[in-house]
Amino acid sequence: AQKVTQAQTEISVVEKEDVTLDCVYETRDTTYYLFWYKQPPSGELVFLIRRNSFDEQNEISGRYSWNFQKSTSSFNFTITASQVVDSAVYFCALSEPNYGQNFVFGPGTRLSVLP
Amino acid sequence: NAGVTQTPKFQVLKTGQSMTLQCAQDMNHEYMSWYRQDPGMGLRLIHYSVGAGITDQGEVPNGYNVSRSTTEDFPLRLLSAAPSQTSVYFCASSPSGVSYGYTFGSGTRLTVV
Repeated sequence: AQKVTQAQTEISVVEKEDVTLDCVYETRDTTYYLFWYKQPPSGELVFLIRRNSFDEQNEISGRYSWNFQKSTSSFNFTITASQVVDSAVYFCALSEPNYGQNFVFGPGTRLSVLP
Repeated sequence: NAGVTQTPKFQVLKTGQSMTLQCAQDMNHEYMSWYRQDPGMGLRLIHYSVGAGITDQGEVPNGYNVSRSTTEDFPLRLLSAAPSQTSVYFCASSPSGVSYGYTFGSGTRLTVV
């Protein structure tokens, strides 16, 4: 069955600290996609990254980096030198195109970055 | 480009009332979806469309109807509102579906009393 687990409900860090948000998934297919979305206090959903199941390369974009490990079914997200503007709810999501047009979202992790 | 536009942003309904949440996109995307967001549960798919004239049910379709007469518009109808439908509703669109990812609208916060 498809499932996305984000075990950290809330995290608080002080500005400039590094923080890692965990995402563990379960999938029934060898072809799948993983995503991270950010939901700031204003409420919209902002796309951060997409990764397909055949590409295990880690990715870095500025202060953001993602670690994809198929062996542990994890797709973790690290923010380096966190800033107050990083405060948001972060969602990890999974899709299996061979099984339809649904994203399975995790419950989200609320990150608070304190000044 | 406006992207995905949802109206209204906020709505309060009485139990039993009906209403339509509007969604429009100007990116010529074939795929469109409606999700609802409830606390602690992430987002769940209500209905989706893979093109004009084609719709299908998602994970939680009961109490909702959709239609897709044009590529641009994908309205969501609540037939007889219930308190359990109190939620934040997101419309999303994509050029090629879940393998590519979706662009989300800013959401509609609906309260049913």
